Amino acid sequence: IAGITQAPTSQILAAGRRMTLRCTQDMRHNAMYWYRQDLGLGLRLIHYSNTAGTTGKGEVPDGYSVSRANTDDFPLTLASAVPSQTSVYFCASSDSGYGYTFGSGTRLTVV
Amino acid sequence: EDKVVQSPLSLVVHEGDTVTLNCSYEVTNFRSLLWYKQEKKAPTFLFMLTSSGIEKKSGRLSSILDKKELFSILNITATQTGDSAIYLCAVEAGLWASGSRLTFGEGTQLTVNP
Repeated sequence: IAGITQAPTSQILAAGRRMTLRCTQDMRHNAMYWYRQDLGLGLRLIHYSNTAGTTGKGEVPDGYSVSRANTDDFPLTLASAVPSQTSVYFCASSDSGYGYTFGSGTRLTVV
Repeated sequence: EDKVVQSPLSLVVHEGDTVTLNCSYEVTNFRSLLWYKQEKKAPTFLFMLTSSGIEKKSGRLSSILDKKELFSILNITATQTGDSAIYLCAVEAGLWASGSRLTFGEGTQLTVNP
């Protein structure tokens, strides 16, 4: 692993199903983030974690939950997926003052 | 609420042209402004700007920040087809003790035609 790994790379999901998007980093960054990217809206922050054991809500948190049990992993869970959650999801991490690193993204389609 | 606005939202130019992309912002507890280039997948880092008036340069790309007027520009000279991408502006904000977050603009879709 080098940097941030996201899984799966893409997924088609039936509405109402539960889904967890995985994110793992190997840079020992304290802060991690989940963004969704939609056409014309840029990247919007869903949830963040400044350090292991803490999480916070971003701009669009509804319908999503996160956990940060350790430094490396920051999974994003959709408890009951809806079509409006169709998007590309990016996980990112940062070591304050040295910029942000992004994963390759997960393309999620809810049908 | 933190806000970042980019303009134009899309731009089509010919190879060799020079382009200027704009980013204005309103945030609380500003730390830095970042520019990213996004092609097919993850955004890739271009510049981080923290001080006004100091130009950052990398090849044909350059950027400058004005913290008084709350904006930044990204210049690309002698554009090439490989410059075609979405260019994202993001502002990092937050108190040092409580961590930081990035707020992104909508992005500028640049298309460079041969």
